Amino acid sequence: GAVVSQHPSRVICKSGTSVKIECRSLDFQATTMFWYRQFPKKSLMLMATSNEGSKATYEQGVEKDKFLINHASLTLSTLTVTSAHPEDSSFYICSAPDPTSGNTIYFGEGSWLTVV
Amino acid sequence: GENVEQHPSTLSVQEGDSAVIKCTYSDSASNYFPWYKQELGKRPQLIIDIRSNVGEKKDQRIAVTLNKTAKHFSLHITETQPEDSAVYFCAARGNAGNMLTFGGGTRLMVKP
Repeated sequence: GAVVSQHPSRVICKSGTSVKIECRSLDFQATTMFWYRQFPKKSLMLMATSNEGSKATYEQGVEKDKFLINHASLTLSTLTVTSAHPEDSSFYICSAPDPTSGNTIYFGEGSWLTVV
Repeated sequence: GENVEQHPSTLSVQEGDSAVIKCTYSDSASNYFPWYKQELGKRPQLIIDIRSNVGEKKDQRIAVTLNKTAKHFSLHITETQPEDSAVYFCAARGNAGNMLTFGGGTRLMVKP
């Protein structure tokens, strides 16, 4: 299947700092990417839809100023967690639809964020 | 918006038995239903999917059935093996965009 790559896989940061997570589609172009957050033993919660060349669409309850999303090219979307707090610690994962396979959704590896 | 419910939340079976996980969805316009397997700390992996123009799809030990009238779809795993142990998520996608709505997940445990 298509490949979506996410980096970093694990990151530890101090409270108050910002962390950037990258999501890349390696063998297809993605005009849309999705960012999820997953708590332990829970399902994937959609945070926002990243749109290439335009503003992201945030789900209700997700602070857009805290979770900055940039989709500057057809293969890269970034999620920046700003002014991180311990409660932001979580597993963040991106996904992208592959237009060459009927828009089958593929996921990145995920990023474990720990805020200390 | 779409709402997807998944049952059971946990399922324990003996190796070699079959496992069935069921999902219901609310949006009759949904037309694509993938199933993902997620191992602890790893990305969800697509294991099978079905589109609304078919009622059943099979891939070796895995099959998915779709009942559009009742708005439910099911995952069937036969001859389960310990390596099938993982969390399984169903999802549904409508006509607007490519956004998936996920079920709550099923933790499958296959006992040797």
